[in-house]
Amino acid sequence: DAGVTQSPTHLIKTRGQQVTLRCSPKSGHDTVSWYQQALGQGPQFIFQYYEEEERQRGNFPDRFSGHQFPNYSSELNVNALLLGDSALYLCASSSPSGPATNSGNTIYFGEGSWLTVV
Amino acid sequence: GENVEQHPSTLSVQEGDSAVIKCTYSDSASNYFPWYKQELGKRPQLIIDIRSNVGEKKDQRIAVTLNKTAKHFSLHITETQPEDSAVYFCAARARVYRGSTLGRLYFGRGTQLTVWP
Repeated sequence: DAGVTQSPTHLIKTRGQQVTLRCSPKSGHDTVSWYQQALGQGPQFIFQYYEEEERQRGNFPDRFSGHQFPNYSSELNVNALLLGDSALYLCASSSPSGPATNSGNTIYFGEGSWLTVV
Repeated sequence: GENVEQHPSTLSVQEGDSAVIKCTYSDSASNYFPWYKQELGKRPQLIIDIRSNVGEKKDQRIAVTLNKTAKHFSLHITETQPEDSAVYFCAARARVYRGSTLGRLYFGRGTQLTVWP
């Protein structure tokens, strides 16, 4: 219903490998955020992209990097995978309404990519 | 940064009873408070949200209240049904400006709600 699409839905990687996850935001949305949700935890903010730039970053190491394309889609890259990187990776899209707003804007999550590192 | 605390971590109710989940936040700049329901193996789905210029919002059996002075907000589910069983997350977000670095959601740790038939 939200229109945010992510791929792949499930993947298994080996420690030390690299992974790329992809996200297409909801139509009309220009801001993409990535969250990591470990089992039994709430989602944790990784970073946010707007106008193809990383605008804000959470407490994640440089092994986590991203990119936003001109069509607003985004990629999350994780290098040198650790067992602790196993989690559900959620992409969220949103769009501020106008040059400035006090109202906030609704955030929609994609279905997520389940990453298992073995 | 913002710190969101959520209680209780687990909640069991009988079908038809009400359920209340409470959250507190620390940053007075936060002005948007969504609630998400997450079923096992699925993504968080927005069920209701409230903005800081409103004290209460209701959508059928679900309501959210916000006390800005005390910095807490609550989710109320009435006439609970077994299909309401899920993990519920509260979140908070500061004011959003176009192109700003604000706009990230800070989540609580979640409440596992179980509704017994």
